[in-house]
Amino acid sequence: EDKVVQSPLSLVVHEGDTVTLNCSYEVTNFRSLLWYKQEKKAPTFLFMLTSSGIEKKSGRLSSILDKKELFSILNITATQTGDSAVYLCATPVGNNNDMRFGAGTRLTVKP
Amino acid sequence: DAEITQSPRHKITETGRQVTLACHQTWNHNNMFWYRQDLGHGLRLIHYSYGVQDTNKGEVSDGYSVSRSNTEDLPLTLESAASSQTSVYFCASSGLASYNEQFFGPGTRLTVL
Repeated sequence: EDKVVQSPLSLVVHEGDTVTLNCSYEVTNFRSLLWYKQEKKAPTFLFMLTSSGIEKKSGRLSSILDKKELFSILNITATQTGDSAVYLCATPVGNNNDMRFGAGTRLTVKP
Repeated sequence: DAEITQSPRHKITETGRQVTLACHQTWNHNNMFWYRQDLGHGLRLIHYSYGVQDTNKGEVSDGYSVSRSNTEDLPLTLESAASSQTSVYFCASSGLASYNEQFFGPGTRLTVL
């Protein structure tokens, strides 16, 4: 059965800390893994990863994929209160755009 | 600017009533999706469509239906609303060339009493 598992489910840190969020997956015919940030409303796209070992970076956020061990991590350095959100990872399963999401990691950054 | 909208944004209904949630996108995307989001479950796929007249069941399709009569709209119908369908519903779309990046609508919060 295709599945996506995120850990931890929740995390509380202080501003300036560095955090690592994990996403493991088991899917047939893996194509890509995506990360989204969800604040109070709709998810917004962060990264899409298709190749192992190539880091994607956007400001203080970065992500990498390990296709051998079937996981991805999302790193956030020098966290700010505005980083507080639920972070979702997802991967297509079955047909091209049938997306399976993990349960998300709720990150709270305290001042 | 292209966008994806949902209506209503909030809805309260009673058990047994039929409810339709609207989703409209101006991206001209072929692919459209409906998800529900509940605590502890993340996003779960209800139905999806790869184009006009095409509809497919997702992970949690029981009690829901969709129809796709044009590119822009994918309404989601709850035939007989149940309390277990109280949730936040998100519509999303993606284009053929976007390689799975989905753009989400703002969501509809549905409460079934």
